[in-house]
Amino acid sequence: QKEVEQNSGPLSVPEGAIASLNCTYSDRGSQSFFWYRQYSGKSPELIMSIYSNGDKEDGRFTAQLNKASQYVSLLIRDSQPSDSATYLCAVKERDDKIIFGKGTRLHILP
Amino acid sequence: EAQVTQNPRYLITVTGKKLTVTCSQNMNHEYMSWYRQDPGLGLRQIYYSMNVEVTDKGDVPEGYKVSRKEKRNFPLILESPSPNQTSLYFCASSLESRNTGELFFGEGSRLTVL
Repeated sequence: QKEVEQNSGPLSVPEGAIASLNCTYSDRGSQSFFWYRQYSGKSPELIMSIYSNGDKEDGRFTAQLNKASQYVSLLIRDSQPSDSATYLCAVKERDDKIIFGKGTRLHILP
Repeated sequence: EAQVTQNPRYLITVTGKKLTVTCSQNMNHEYMSWYRQDPGLGLRQIYYSMNVEVTDKGDVPEGYKVSRKEKRNFPLILESPSPNQTSLYFCASSLESRNTGELFFGEGSRLTVL
């Protein structure tokens, strides 16, 4: 069974600090990687996608991909209380299935 | 407004009573998918469709059927619902390209089977 693994948390980070979220995946053939944010009672929304090794920055968010280590991470700089949510890592596998991790709950402390 | 619309949003039904959850998107997306979300289990893919008349099983297809007769619609059918299908269901869509995975989600349908 191919898997996407995330620490469930909760991860507590002081306001203004950097939040670091991690994800590992098992399918070496995966080519597309995504981070979604889900507020309680709401549907997931895409915040970052990354397809190549290295870093991709978008505002306060940076996604990092290391295919050799099968590792994806999301950094949130200058964390805000509004960043408190569950963050879902998703991987598109070779057969076009999109597999989600179980999510990491992030709590930004005011 | 670009959106994925699911109906009903909330439904309580009884074991064995067939039901359909509709999903419609107005973005001309080729890729559509159904997920269920359960506490401790996360989002699990039920079925997906790469385009009209093309559907494939996800990780948890048992007890569900889908059809893709039109590009915009992707209904989820529970022929004989059982209590273990009580869950929060999400429909999602995406352009069919390497960017598939950049999913737009509907608001969710909370289903309770008694």
